[in-house]
Amino acid sequence: AQSVTQLGSHVSVSEGALVLLRCNYSSSVPPYLFWYVQYPNQGLQLLLKYTSAATLVKGINGFEAEFKKSETSFHLTKPSAHMSDAAEYFCAVSDQGGYQKVTFGTGTKLQVIP
Amino acid sequence: EAGVTQSPTHLIKTRGQQATLRCSPISGHTSVYWYQQALGLGLQFLLWYDEGEERNRGNFPPRFSGRQFPNYSSELNVNALELEDSALYLCASSFLTGAGNTIYFGEGSWLTVV
Repeated sequence: AQSVTQLGSHVSVSEGALVLLRCNYSSSVPPYLFWYVQYPNQGLQLLLKYTSAATLVKGINGFEAEFKKSETSFHLTKPSAHMSDAAEYFCAVSDQGGYQKVTFGTGTKLQVIP
Repeated sequence: EAGVTQSPTHLIKTRGQQATLRCSPISGHTSVYWYQQALGLGLQFLLWYDEGEERNRGNFPPRFSGRQFPNYSSELNVNALELEDSALYLCASSFLTGAGNTIYFGEGSWLTVV
């Protein structure tokens, strides 16, 4: 069964600094990988997804993630943090093919310090 | 195009009562998912319906049940409510394709059990 591990339940960065949120996956078959963002008191919004095309995936709001098979990682980055990036971020994995459940990580809360 | 819609936004129930939450998927989506997000417990998978059938179920007791209607909308029923059922219940929808199972979330329904 597939799973994801998000390292660090809380991450703090200064405004303008690099954002790096870590996600490692476990899957017996090539996975699909996702990052979602949840702002306070809202649902989850899809940031980006990897579906075995380009290994570097660009998403909304300036975020991107790189699929590294050798490291089983799919870390989320943004060159310069903005105050509006403060939210909780979830990594998720799904096996390829139909009827595959999407499994979420435990989430990482990003704090942006002015 | 309308996103996933959920109702009610907030619901307060007494312990032992029943709660019913409703979800309308994005137009064209045939799969509906339910997740529970309780404080400090992350995103827990509850149920997955596709084409009216239950495809997968998370590790929840039988008092959590649901169904999907012919128009692909869904409802989640929670019987014999317990205090620990207080949580944000998120509905998501998708259309299964060979390009991966990307799910899109609604804003959630807050259930408070007192």
